[in-house]
Amino acid sequence: EAQVTQNPRYLITVTGKKLTVTCSQNMNHEYMSWYRQDPGLGLRQIYYSMNVEVTDKGDVPEGYKVSRKEKRNFPLILESPSPNQTSLYFCASRPIGNQPQHFGDGTRLSIL
Amino acid sequence: GENVEQHPSTLSVQEGDSAVIKCTYSDSASNYFPWYKQELGKRPQLIIDIRSNVGEKKDQRIAVTLNKTAKHFSLHITETQPEDSAVYFCAAFRGGATNKLIFGTGTLLAVQP
Repeated sequence: EAQVTQNPRYLITVTGKKLTVTCSQNMNHEYMSWYRQDPGLGLRQIYYSMNVEVTDKGDVPEGYKVSRKEKRNFPLILESPSPNQTSLYFCASRPIGNQPQHFGDGTRLSIL
Repeated sequence: GENVEQHPSTLSVQEGDSAVIKCTYSDSASNYFPWYKQELGKRPQLIIDIRSNVGEKKDQRIAVTLNKTAKHFSLHITETQPEDSAVYFCAAFRGGATNKLIFGTGTLLAVQP
């Protein structure tokens, strides 16, 4: 089954404790991205990658890192999480070009 | 840069009525316009999309129209049902170097039984 898999689905942690949210897709898509969703603000892109070893900042990249060592994986790293990063996070993938984008099931992060 | 405005932010309709959500985009080079439905606590899912060489597309009770001249596109849901209640997002895609999909801020649709 074609899918985007994120882990964990839920995480409660404390300020400053490094965390990684994994994302994997099995559709051989070139383009992957991370969004955060906050009430009233819609989906805001954090980082994106157009292929292996090619990453770039989205609209709200501060406080986040990503890597793309393999085509299928695109982890989101919070080196020193802060409470303002409490949010619902979605990973997504699609082919390059005007093609449908597929979302993962989301990760709800709470930073205390 | 590209901007997508979506209206209304909330919409309440009676079951069986029609619902219309409108989006405008700023970049005339945008050529692909998907619509996503997000049920509470779930991921956004593609429900319909349209490319710039087409003016209208229908899939059962949902349809999307595109006016390239005015740079706006709309989602139409007919004969609404309670299970249509969700947040709907429009998006506009521009290819080339940016290859970016820009989302609207969403519309919360409530269908009252």
